[in-house]
Amino acid sequence: DQQVKQNSPSLSVQEGRISILNCDYTNSMFDYFLWYKKYPAEGPTFLISISSIKDKNEDGRFTVFLNKSAKHLSLHIVPSQPGDSAVYFCAASATSGTYKYIFGTGTRLKVLA
Amino acid sequence: DTGVSQNPRHKITKRGQNVTFRCDPISEHNRLYWYRQTLGQGPEFLTYFQNEAQLEKSRLLSDRFSAERPKGSFSTLEIQRTEQGDSAMYLCASSLEVSPTGYTFGSGTRLTVV
Repeated sequence: DQQVKQNSPSLSVQEGRISILNCDYTNSMFDYFLWYKKYPAEGPTFLISISSIKDKNEDGRFTVFLNKSAKHLSLHIVPSQPGDSAVYFCAASATSGTYKYIFGTGTRLKVLA
Repeated sequence: DTGVSQNPRHKITKRGQNVTFRCDPISEHNRLYWYRQTLGQGPEFLTYFQNEAQLEKSRLLSDRFSAERPKGSFSTLEIQRTEQGDSAMYLCASSLEVSPTGYTFGSGTRLTVV
C-alpha cells in the first residue's frame, strides 16, 4: 500500500522556468511533510517542510503548497537552475507518533541549460 | 561533526553469505533509522532506535535481518543468508527526537548479492 505517491517519475524543465513536482498521500493522519533532494551516490538531503496547519511555506526559490482536502502537496522551484537537477522525494509523517517518515517513489528533475 | 557516516560504501557478496553494515550517526542525535532503497523506489522504512532501544521494526525486516545500537551510539545492520532480493541501497539516518527538518541521511551502503 503506497501511502505517499509521486506519479511523475521524471520531469524536464528549461533553465529559468518553473518546476512543479507533485505528491499525493492517502493517510489522513499525516500532518507533517518534507521534500528531500538526492544527487547520485549521496543520501537524500532535506529541502523544505510544511506542517498541516499551513498551506504554504517558502524558502528562497522553493515553495511547498499543501492542499489537505485533496491530500496533495506540490513543490515549486522558481527559477529552475541546472544545479537543481536531482531526484526529489516527498515524505510524510504523523508527528503525534514516531516521526517516522514514509517516502514517495521520487521524481527525477532535469533542468536544461 | 562530519554528518552520518556509513561503511562500507559498497558491498558485493555471494548469495548465502552474511553481511554487516555500520552507521555512525551525528553524535547528539538520539534517534537512528535504517531505510532500504531499491531501483525506482523511494526509501522504505526498516527500523528505528531511540538511544539503544529498538522501538519499531517494519514487516520488511525478515528474520534474516537484525539491527543493533549498543550504548545508543553507532548501529549495525546484519543480513544473514543473503538473497538476491536483498540487493539494494541501505540508508542510515539520524535525528533529534523532535526534528522539523527530518533526518540527516548518510550516503548509504550499496549491497549487491550475486
